[in-house]
Amino acid sequence: SQTIHQWPATLVQPVGSPLSLECTVEGTSNPNLYWYRQAAGRGLQLLFYSVGIGQISSEVPQNLSASRPQDRQFILSSKKLLLSDSGFYLCAWTLYTNTGELFFGEGSRLTVL
Amino acid sequence: KQEVTQIPAALSVPEGENLVLNCSFTDSAIYNLQWFRQDPGKGLTSLLLIQSSQREQTSGRLNASLDKSSGRSTLYIAASQPGDSATYLCAVLRGGADGLTFGKGTHLIIQP
Repeated sequence: SQTIHQWPATLVQPVGSPLSLECTVEGTSNPNLYWYRQAAGRGLQLLFYSVGIGQISSEVPQNLSASRPQDRQFILSSKKLLLSDSGFYLCAWTLYTNTGELFFGEGSRLTVL
Repeated sequence: KQEVTQIPAALSVPEGENLVLNCSFTDSAIYNLQWFRQDPGKGLTSLLLIQSSQREQTSGRLNASLDKSSGRSTLYIAASQPGDSATYLCAVLRGGADGLTFGKGTHLIIQP
């Protein structure tokens, strides 16, 4: 069966520090991968998606970036965090060639102080 | 641009009641619609997926319907239990690789 792992679960970082959140999917090949952010009162916002290794599409301008160095690995990064980057970050995957059902990881809570 | 609206934003009912959560979307050209459950501080758990060609899906006490032409979906929860307390999110996929568009959710509390 397929599983998705996301880490770290919780992160407290000072403004201006770097960020790296990692997501790994197991039990499938060539998934579409997604990073969403959930902020209080704003719902889920799609940040990045990837349909293959090295292929990244960004939905919103921001100081975040994403990379996909391997088929089942998706990384969210920042060189210098802002206060506004605080939020709950969720990684997700789907096999779009199948039903398109989306599966989420457990999330990473980022607090920027 | 697709917009998804969920009504009500919050709901509190006594245990045992049947209830309906509503979801509407502005663009009827969707590939599928998915209902999720989110517990506080947790990720999203997929509850039901309805393909655009389907009218409804059932899983246990949950039943989701889809009326694509009118841009509406409902999630019916039968015989509600305190363990059903959570936020329920509706999301639609329009057919590209760029993921789902989510509503803001219905925060449900089932009183014991």
